[in-house]
Amino acid sequence: GAGVSQSPRYKVAKRGQDVALRCDPISGHVSLFWYQQALGQGPEFLTYFQNEAQLDKSGLPSDRFFAERPEGSVSTLKIQRTQQEDSAVYLCASIRARGTDTQYFGPGTRLTVL
Amino acid sequence: DQQVKQNSPSLSVQEGRISILNCDYTNSMFDYFLWYKKYPAEGPTFLISISSIKDKNEDGRFTVFLNKSAKHLSLHIVPSQPGDSAVYFCAASAVNTGNQFYFGTGTSLTVIP
Repeated sequence: GAGVSQSPRYKVAKRGQDVALRCDPISGHVSLFWYQQALGQGPEFLTYFQNEAQLDKSGLPSDRFFAERPEGSVSTLKIQRTQQEDSAVYLCASIRARGTDTQYFGPGTRLTVL
Repeated sequence: DQQVKQNSPSLSVQEGRISILNCDYTNSMFDYFLWYKKYPAEGPTFLISISSIKDKNEDGRFTVFLNKSAKHLSLHIVPSQPGDSAVYFCAASAVNTGNQFYFGTGTSLTVIP
């Protein structure tokens, strides 16, 4: 596609539910990032993939957060046993190649945990 | 520990005048800086970048200035247009942080017609 797409755009979950957020990066982009953006804050790094390899997951806030990119294209961010503090916009971004290249962001998934 | 800071949460400017958005950083290892523009319900859109080997980069109405000694960068928009009204984020990265980008908290710019 022309840009990074994310689905669903909005997700409401009851506390304790598991959620899965999907990211479709720009075709051919090697690197993929997940960010969490709380209200009034900038995006905060969660994890980074190069192709199918998860090279950095230092930003994942707890072991309830899990991300995968099994075929090096689509990625899924899974949050288990959601908590209210998980409410945020989750942004996905992709980069064409390694290095400090420009990140192209998707529109985000707004997660609200009740 | 906020490594990139945008101390002005909002800014209002008259159409046609200059908008100046500021950003400060603490990590002297940062060597690549970007500005993103974000409209409501959309993801951030890349605007302009600068490498630490430069002190200025210009693209049309947008110019980014980098002052490494002060650990400060700024985005100038001249002339400002109503369509520039958005939230602007600065971001920084370094070779030794891999591809991890650190974002500021954003400045909401309103250009008044």
